[in-house]
Amino acid sequence: AQSVTQLDSQVPVFEEAPVELRCNYSSSVSVYLFWYVQYPNQGLQLLLKYLSGSTLVKGINGFEAEFNKSQTSFHLRKPSVHISDTAEYFCAVHAGGTSYGKLTFGQGTILTVHP
Amino acid sequence: DSGVTQTPKHLITATGQRVTLRCSPRSGDLSVYWYQQSLDQGLQFLIQYYNGEERAKGNILERFSAQQFPDLHSELNLSSLELGDSALYFCASSVGGGGETQYFGPGTRLLVL
Repeated sequence: AQSVTQLDSQVPVFEEAPVELRCNYSSSVSVYLFWYVQYPNQGLQLLLKYLSGSTLVKGINGFEAEFNKSQTSFHLRKPSVHISDTAEYFCAVHAGGTSYGKLTFGQGTILTVHP
Repeated sequence: DSGVTQTPKHLITATGQRVTLRCSPRSGDLSVYWYQQSLDQGLQFLIQYYNGEERAKGNILERFSAQQFPDLHSELNLSSLELGDSALYFCASSVGGGGETQYFGPGTRLLVL
């Protein structure tokens, strides 16, 4: 079974500052990793994903994440945030190589960008 | 817009009642997933259908059931509703049945009074 821990439930930051949202996972098999964003009253939108290959993954809206197998982490970063990045961010894991698509989500991190 | 549609957007009902939530996947997607989002449990996987057949089951209560029809739309049936079933129910779809990207609908917000 897989599990995901998002280490911060809330992250306040000022506009144009860098941000890192932390995600650790646990799995006995190889995994695919995802970051989704949820804006208020909306569904989830994929930011980026890691399936294999380069451990540095670039996504939409200037976000990137680095897969670290030894530390079982997949932290999300952005060098300079905007007010519009205020949202809830979810890290998710999928048991790679399986024939089913269940995603296991973390509890979410609310990013609040202040002017 | 992800291309996944869900109806209704909001649903208010009473305890003990039964409701049906509907989902239409993106064109070409064969898998449909149902997730429940609540304040205490977070985002929980309920069930997956692939091309009309159940593929995987998660923390879905026996009072809940789902199906995927030949046109690939899916319905989630919730019966004998309890206050604790109040939540946001998301449908997602993907091309295949494995680790492909899942595209989420806007959700159905269910309130049980």
